[in-house]
Amino acid sequence: SQKIEQNSEALNIQEGKTATLTCNYTNYSPAYLQWYRQDPGRGPVFLLLIRENEKEKRKERLKVTFDTTLKQSLFHITASQPADSATYLCALEVDSNYQLIWGAGTKLIIKP
Amino acid sequence: NAGVTQTPKFQVLKTGQSMTLQCAQDMNHNSMYWYRQDPGMGLRLIYYSASEGTTDKGEVPNGYNVSRLNKREFSLRLESAAPSQTSVYFCASSESQTSYGYTFGSGTRLTVV
Repeated sequence: SQKIEQNSEALNIQEGKTATLTCNYTNYSPAYLQWYRQDPGRGPVFLLLIRENEKEKRKERLKVTFDTTLKQSLFHITASQPADSATYLCALEVDSNYQLIWGAGTKLIIKP
Repeated sequence: NAGVTQTPKFQVLKTGQSMTLQCAQDMNHNSMYWYRQDPGMGLRLIYYSASEGTTDKGEVPNGYNVSRLNKREFSLRLESAAPSQTSVYFCASSESQTSYGYTFGSGTRLTVV
């Protein structure tokens, strides 16, 4: 079956270190992959989009990679801070109607 | 800079009752969406409207109806609420192309008892 997998276990990282989150997918050929941040009780907030022909995209302390051969995206936060603690969602755009298929998210906890 | 506004924020319904969730965006986006979010699951698309005047079913449309009232507003109606519809509902909007991602509202937490 088609699915997107994100690590369901919370990721605990020491402040200042690099946090790396994984998004794996099967049976899709996505045109885009997006990453969002979601805080408790709030809606997701768009962070980055990467296209299928792009290997890497950066925005400030954030970096996203996209490997269509491995069917995997990695999301990195460098110099992590407690304020980066949140759930991070990945989403794939898989058809021309611009609909997204979503992972369940990974909770990131940055410890001081 | 309101973005996407959803009302209400919380609602408790009895089984069989009906209600409408309201959503409005002020970014002049063409496309609008209704999602539900359940614990341990990804966001699931209920209905979407690619442009004013059009609506289409998403992954989980049963038990719901929508209206794209104008370019700004997109409402979701539960005609006869069921406990299985207990969830957090999010409205989102986007440009026709997704290069800028989706903008989400803050959600409606609905409990059906």
